[in-house]
Amino acid sequence: TQLLEQSPQFLSIQEGENLTVYCNSSSVFSSLQWYRQEPGEGPVLLVTVVTGGEVKKLKRLTFQFGDARKDSSLHITAAQPGDTGLYLCAGEGLETSGSRLTFGEGTQLTVNP
Amino acid sequence: NAGVMQNPRHLVRRRGQEARLRCSPMKGHSHVYWYRQLPEEGLKFMVYLQKENIIDESGMPKERFSAEFPKEGPSILRIQQVVRGDSAAYFCASSPPVINEQFFGPGTRLTVL
Repeated sequence: TQLLEQSPQFLSIQEGENLTVYCNSSSVFSSLQWYRQEPGEGPVLLVTVVTGGEVKKLKRLTFQFGDARKDSSLHITAAQPGDTGLYLCAGEGLETSGSRLTFGEGTQLTVNP
Repeated sequence: NAGVMQNPRHLVRRRGQEARLRCSPMKGHSHVYWYRQLPEEGLKFMVYLQKENIIDESGMPKERFSAEFPKEGPSILRIQQVVRGDSAAYFCASSPPVINEQFFGPGTRLTVL
């Protein structure tokens, strides 16, 4: 069974601060996706990383895929209240059939004004 | 809005009744996935379908649950003889044929009384 562990589980910071969320596994993933989910809504895809060591930037968000494709991080610069939400990482396994995603438990981020 | 559509958004059933959840994928997407999110838990894969084919149903409970994606019309997740433990948010995602980027619908929140 492939597992993804996210840390921290909860994070509460002040507007303007920087933060990093981690997603770790002992398994190798062919790709990894980051989502943000608001209460009562479905996850919204932020980014997909495929290559080991890959770094992608989306405005103030920076995503990195580990060299061994077992872990990933999400860094937010100068967080804003609008960044508040549940951040989920999800991996596509190498060995699973089809393209099912394995999700982490999520990091609940609260950015206080 | 060309996103993934799910209906109904909320569904209330009494124990023993049937629940039918519908999902229309994004235009051009031929792959459909169903995930379940139990209260205070992460998203768990249930089933992966392509048109008229079930590709991976390893996450589906063996009894009472079934899914289909007919040649015409939406994908259907069917739960027979619902029990209270079936209460959860059920999400559908779709992806295009080549790239496994999964886009989620808003979900159906099932409550079993």
